[in-house]
Amino acid sequence: DGGITQSPKYLFRKEGQNVTLSCEQNLNHDAMYWYRQDPGQGLRLIYYSQIVNDFQKGDIAEGYSVSREKKESFPLTVTSAQKNPTAFYLCASSMDRGLQETQYFGPGTRLLVL
Amino acid sequence: AQKITQTQPGMFVQEKEAVTLDCTYDTSDQSYGLFWYKQPSSGEMIFLIYQGSYDEQNATEGRYSLNFQKARKSANLVISASQLGDSAMYFCAMSPNAGGTSYGKLTFGQGTILTVHP
Repeated sequence: DGGITQSPKYLFRKEGQNVTLSCEQNLNHDAMYWYRQDPGQGLRLIYYSQIVNDFQKGDIAEGYSVSREKKESFPLTVTSAQKNPTAFYLCASSMDRGLQETQYFGPGTRLLVL
Repeated sequence: AQKITQTQPGMFVQEKEAVTLDCTYDTSDQSYGLFWYKQPSSGEMIFLIYQGSYDEQNATEGRYSLNFQKARKSANLVISASQLGDSAMYFCAMSPNAGGTSYGKLTFGQGTILTVHP
């Protein structure tokens, strides 16, 4: 089945540690996105990528980094510079063409700081 | 800049009845897209319905319809014949310049928690 997978489902980070969240899609979508959701809040865009080897900062990119070496994969690294990383992280993808750029989401990763 | 406002933190509805979830938006773009997503307790965001700013007819998808009033900048979601499985958080979102170059910049509202009572 086509879809978006994220791993791990839960991730624990120690102080000063970098951690990487995985996002893979087999929908043949061009664009991929990372969002952060805090409890009781809406989603905020961290980074997005429209094509391989290119990505743009979203509204809250500080303390995060991404790469897009393959069309199917868009990993997110939460660096030690991100002082409040505890949140729910959602990855999404879209066709990136046409009038309806509907974004489809993965199941999410919950990041907790120890 | 775009802004989405959902003024109903929580809504309750009886099973089999209809419910309207409010969404107002603010944008200076002439072309934009409006989306509704459902987020059950599992956390995954499920796409429900889309409305383009130039679409003359309100969008419908099964039991979901979008009441689009462009002059009022509102895009309310109507769920008909509510089911227990509809209990979830619902988010209204907006993308600027539908079909244009501002891909990826979905702006979300704060969400509305819908509870369906049997």
